[in-house]
Amino acid sequence: KQEVTQIPAALSVPEGENLVLNCSFTDSAIYNLQWFRQDPGKGLTSLLLIQSSQREQTSGRLNASLDKSSGRSTLYIAASQPGDSATYLCAPLYDTDKLIFGTGTRLQVFP
Amino acid sequence: GAVVSQHPSWVICKSGTSVKIECRSLDFQATTMFWYRQFPKQSLMLMATSNEGSKATYEQGVEKDKFLINHASLTLSTLTVTSAHPEDSSFYICSARDRAGRETQYFGPGTRLLVL
Repeated sequence: KQEVTQIPAALSVPEGENLVLNCSFTDSAIYNLQWFRQDPGKGLTSLLLIQSSQREQTSGRLNASLDKSSGRSTLYIAASQPGDSATYLCAPLYDTDKLIFGTGTRLQVFP
Repeated sequence: GAVVSQHPSWVICKSGTSVKIECRSLDFQATTMFWYRQFPKQSLMLMATSNEGSKATYEQGVEKDKFLINHASLTLSTLTVTSAHPEDSSFYICSARDRAGRETQYFGPGTRLLVL
């Protein structure tokens, strides 16, 4: 069964900290992996997409790494800000065109 | 570009009634649309994959007679929750994939359904 686990489930930090969000997936036969942001009661915003052949992707203060063979991805958020507060979801894509979502990390960054 | 809309954004209905949710790709043609459901404090679960002009493919455990999906055009898919019950209350999100690209799914803003 394809499962995705995210650790920690929740995180509360003062602004300015560098953060590490972890994602692990049981089936390593992924096509790519995406990280999304979800604000309360809202839809999803795609943050980063890493192809299965890539090791990392960067966008601004966000950096995502991928270790496909070990079934892990990590999202790094540098110099966190209160506006980063949201739930972060990772989702590997399998060849069946199915995105499998993790349960998310709820992040709160306080001033 | 690549905007997906959903209507309505929220709906409250009585138990036993049917509710239709629309998902539209506004500036691109989507051969494939996906319907997800998200219960409180849980992640998104894929319900079904809908291809334009053909029957939807439902995930295991999703009742196809209860959740009717129609994808009659390249820009519109609808999900109808028939004879809704309180346990169907959830957040329903659709996504659409551009016919030109395989990878990226563009997500709608979601529809919150509350069945009384």
